[in-house]
Amino acid sequence: AQSVTQLDSQVPVFEEAPVELRCNYSSSVSVYLFWYVQYPNQGLQLLLKYLSGSTLVKGINGFEAEFNKSQTSFHLRKPSVHISDTAEYFCAVGSIQGAQKLVFGQGTRLTINP
Amino acid sequence: DTAVSQTPKYLVTQMGNDKSIKCEQNLGHDTMYWYKQDSKKFLKIMFSYNNKELIINETVPNRFSPKSPDKAHLNLHINSLELGDSAVYFCASRYTSGGFNEQFFGPGTRLTVL
Repeated sequence: AQSVTQLDSQVPVFEEAPVELRCNYSSSVSVYLFWYVQYPNQGLQLLLKYLSGSTLVKGINGFEAEFNKSQTSFHLRKPSVHISDTAEYFCAVGSIQGAQKLVFGQGTRLTINP
Repeated sequence: DTAVSQTPKYLVTQMGNDKSIKCEQNLGHDTMYWYKQDSKKFLKIMFSYNNKELIINETVPNRFSPKSPDKAHLNLHINSLELGDSAVYFCASRYTSGGFNEQFFGPGTRLTVL
């Protein structure tokens, strides 16, 4: 079984400041790791994914995340945020084998203040 | 042009009614999913079909019955609706061959049970 914990339910930051959204996971099998973004009243959009290889992955909109196997973490970062980054961010894991169902964290609401 | 579409976008109904939500994807994918997002934004998988065959069936009340008439469609029928069924329901799809393939999400159906 897998589980995902997003350590912050809300993160307020000022525009152009850096941000880190934290994610820890637990799994008894090998997994893929994902970050999804949900803008208000919209569906989920994939920001980035870790499948294998380099532990630093880059995604859309200037976001990146680092996979740390020893700490079972997959934190999301952006060096300078914009108002348009205001959204809900979800960390998820998916088993490598089988039907690849996604297990999501509770979400982190990122609010950018001018 | 919409890749994964859901109808209706909003559904308001009375307790005890029976309703259906429809999902269609035009991406040529062979696996489709239903996820439920509750009022706290928590996302949880409900069902998955691969080529019209049920492959994931999480602990969901049997009032919920998915149906896949073909691999491009996955519908969700809910009998005897309860207040706790109020949520946003997301459909997703992906292609299973050739290693990892991301899930594409629909815009969601907001169900309100009064």
